[in-house]
Amino acid sequence: SQKIEQNSEALNIQEGKTATLTCNYTNYSPAYLQWYRQDPGRGPVFLLLIRENEKEKRKERLKVTFDTTLKQSLFHITASQPADSATYLCALDLPPTGFQKLVFGTGTRLLVSP
Amino acid sequence: DTAVSQTPKYLVTQMGNDKSIKCEQNLGHDTMYWYKQDSKKFLKIMFSYNNKELIINETVPNRFSPKSPDKAHLNLHINSLELGDSAVYFCASARAGGNTEAFFGQGTRLTVV
Repeated sequence: SQKIEQNSEALNIQEGKTATLTCNYTNYSPAYLQWYRQDPGRGPVFLLLIRENEKEKRKERLKVTFDTTLKQSLFHITASQPADSATYLCALDLPPTGFQKLVFGTGTRLLVSP
Repeated sequence: DTAVSQTPKYLVTQMGNDKSIKCEQNLGHDTMYWYKQDSKKFLKIMFSYNNKELIINETVPNRFSPKSPDKAHLNLHINSLELGDSAVYFCASARAGGNTEAFFGQGTRLTVV
């Protein structure tokens, strides 16, 4: 069965540094991959979507890469701020095709210290 | 103007009871989901409906029965609640066809005592 693993349960970095989160998957190769942010007591919020034919996607301070050979996506937050502290989830679309079945990774809790 | 709304936000109930969680979306989406997030924060898909039709049922015990009266609503009924059902349940919606972001509700924290 499909396994989606995110590099670590928690990541602590200092304000201003770049945070890099990893998402690795096995077996099935998805057509696209998504990243979400979840704050305590709230539902996940969509951040970025990257397709299999895209190597990189950017949105403000966020950057996502997608390497279908390595079966890996990297999620970067540049110039990180304490407000970026949250849990970040990657998600893959699995079959049945034509109907989105979003399966989430284990999540990485990011803590940005001032 | 909440896009995906769930009620109730909190639910505390005794083992063996039957309870329902309601979900409504005003985004005009065809696809709706139920997810369960356990104490380790792992978000697991339970069901998916497309235009009132069940598409995905992820080997969830048949004590859980989703119902979609129309494409804007997806309710979750749980019979004979067990301690292990305690979790946060999220409803979500998305446009049909895949390759699209999902919008989540604020979650329902279910505690079975």
